[in-house]
Amino acid sequence: QQQVKQSPQSLIVQKGGISIINCAYENTAFDYFPWYQQFPGKGPALLIAIRPDVSEKKEGRFTISFNKSAKQFSLHIMDSQPGDSATYFCAASNQAGGYNKLIFGAGTRLAVHP
Amino acid sequence: NAGVTQTPKFRILKIGQSMTLQCAQDMNHNYMYWYRQDPGMGLKLIYYSVGAGITDKGEVPNGYNVSRSTTEDFPLRLELAAPSQTSVYFCASSYGLAEAFFGQGTRLTVV
Repeated sequence: QQQVKQSPQSLIVQKGGISIINCAYENTAFDYFPWYQQFPGKGPALLIAIRPDVSEKKEGRFTISFNKSAKQFSLHIMDSQPGDSATYFCAASNQAGGYNKLIFGAGTRLAVHP
Repeated sequence: NAGVTQTPKFRILKIGQSMTLQCAQDMNHNYMYWYRQDPGMGLKLIYYSVGAGITDKGEVPNGYNVSRSTTEDFPLRLELAAPSQTSVYFCASSYGLAEAFFGQGTRLTVV
């Protein structure tokens, strides 16, 4: 059972464009939704995270939009740069249980062309 | 601070061999995790620990064992390696429910 579904699998964007990655979840007990960025040969690193009490969170060029009723959340990268080329993972966890067991999406490989 | 350190970075095992993947963190984090990453599959949680002496199973624990005798170390043991365990393994740590920091990974091939 895939609890977090991520799309698209790969994405090509021109420099300066907007990159949009979508995720959908099934478990309504999830209460923490982070996005991780991973460069080749490196471990994932936290990019931005949101909790379901807000519908949007913005940090610099990165914005998470959250739709609780649809059980969907998305990552928008504004003014995409070649340095943003990486694999992006959405994730979810139920932190109310006292744990931080992240359930990851399958990942999106983003390529930003100059 | 070195953060989360994993050793080795690469390893080739023969079917049936065993090995231990090492993970150490110097951030005094109480929570530690082991994930495996397969192409197109994201990361799957193998085991986790909320403190020394406390471990529990994640999504895909079969074929693995862990121990947590100190706050700093969280080794992952593979017994009787199988080709299905070919993967990239990531260790992570966090201070409770705060941000999880990942190591650089161990790429394991079982032949």
